[in-house]
This record gives sequence, structure tokens and C-alpha cells, in this order.
Amino acid sequence: QKEVEQNSGPLSVPEGAIASLNCTYSDRVSQSFFWYRQYSGKSPELIMSIYSNGDKEDGRFTAQLNKASQYVSLLIRDSQPSDSATYLCAVNDPGTGNQFYFGTGTSLTVIP
Amino acid sequence: NAGVTQTPKFRILKIGQSMTLQCTQDMNHNYMYWYRQDPGMGLKLIYYSVGAGITDKGEVPNGYNVSRSTTEDFPLRLELAAPSQTSVYFCASSYSTSQETQYFGPGTRLLVL
Repeated sequence: QKEVEQNSGPLSVPEGAIASLNCTYSDRVSQSFFWYRQYSGKSPELIMSIYSNGDKEDGRFTAQLNKASQYVSLLIRDSQPSDSATYLCAVNDPGTGNQFYFGTGTSLTVIP
Repeated sequence: NAGVTQTPKFRILKIGQSMTLQCTQDMNHNYMYWYRQDPGMGLKLIYYSVGAGITDKGEVPNGYNVSRSTTEDFPLRLELAAPSQTSVYFCASSYSTSQETQYFGPGTRLLVL
């Protein structure tokens, strides 16, 4: 059973601050890592994907991956109230139909 | 492209009734998935398919059935609905490679009373 752990939060940050979201996973075989944003009552939408150790930046978002520590994080710079949502971490299992395993999500609130 | 579409958006079932949740994608993805999401929880995989005619169980398959007769469609069948199946159901699809994200439909909210 693959485990993906996230702090459930809630995490509150003031507008303009950096929000840091963390995720650990149990399976060293996992190759691809994804961060999804889910607004209340909506479906998950992809924010970032990362496959190699190190940092990957896309606008205000930076994903960080450390495979040795089995740790992936998401930084949101200059947080905006529209970033308030639940953030889901997902890791894949390449051996079985590219199954994804999801964490329970971290609820983020950005306070204006 | 419409992406992944699901019907219905919302449904109330009585205990013991059956229904089919429809899922269609127009991105020519080989892989398709059904998840359920309970309040405050992550997504749990029910069934998945790697191509037409091929399906396999996920983490929580009991009480559900699927079929995949075409690349586009992946319906989920609930037989003998139970209150424990009250949830939000998401269908997703992806290309075949491990670096591809999954694209989600808008979800079906199911209430079993």
C-alpha cells in the first residue's frame, strides 16, 4: 500500500506571504509527482508536475523534489486570496496503469 | 475539446437502487480512472482501464463495476446502492506515459438514502 502524507492544515497565510505545502511518500519506485489545486465543490486541476530532484518554477509556484528523502513540496509566492483552496499531492505508480496515489490534501486560506 | 465529461452532476438514490455514472473523454486517452472522494479526504481509486476492453480494480472496488467498450467511454455501475457509497465521484483520463497528468471531469455528487 503506497502512502502519501500531507499536513491537513488548515494553513493560513496573509496575502503576499509565501505558503509552503509539504508531502512525503512511501514508495521509492514513484517517478512522477503532481500538485493539484481543488476549490470547494470542484474537481482537481493540475498546478505543477515534477520528475527530477531539485526545484521547478512556474510563475508564483515552485515545486521541490528530494527523492532520497521521499519528499516533495510546493511553495506559493505572493499568495493571493484566489489561492485559497485544498492542495492535493499525488505520486504515480508507473507499473500499474499509471495509477496515482493522493494525499488527503492541505487546506490553504490566504487572508486579505 | 470538451475534455472529460460526467453525467449526472447530482443524484439521490434509495438504498438498494442501481445506477450508472457516465464518463466520456474526447482527448483520445488510453487510460481512464474512477475515483471517489469523501469529505475531507483524498481521492481513492475505484477502477481503472488502460484501454478498450481492459479494466482492473483499484483500492476500493467493492460495490462497483465498470466496462470499457470504446476508448471514449468508461461508465461506472453501482449495484444495490448503500449509504457508504454516498460520495463525490470523479472520472479522469490520461495518456499512457508515466509523466502525464490525469485530467479530471467535473464530478458526480451521489447521495444514498
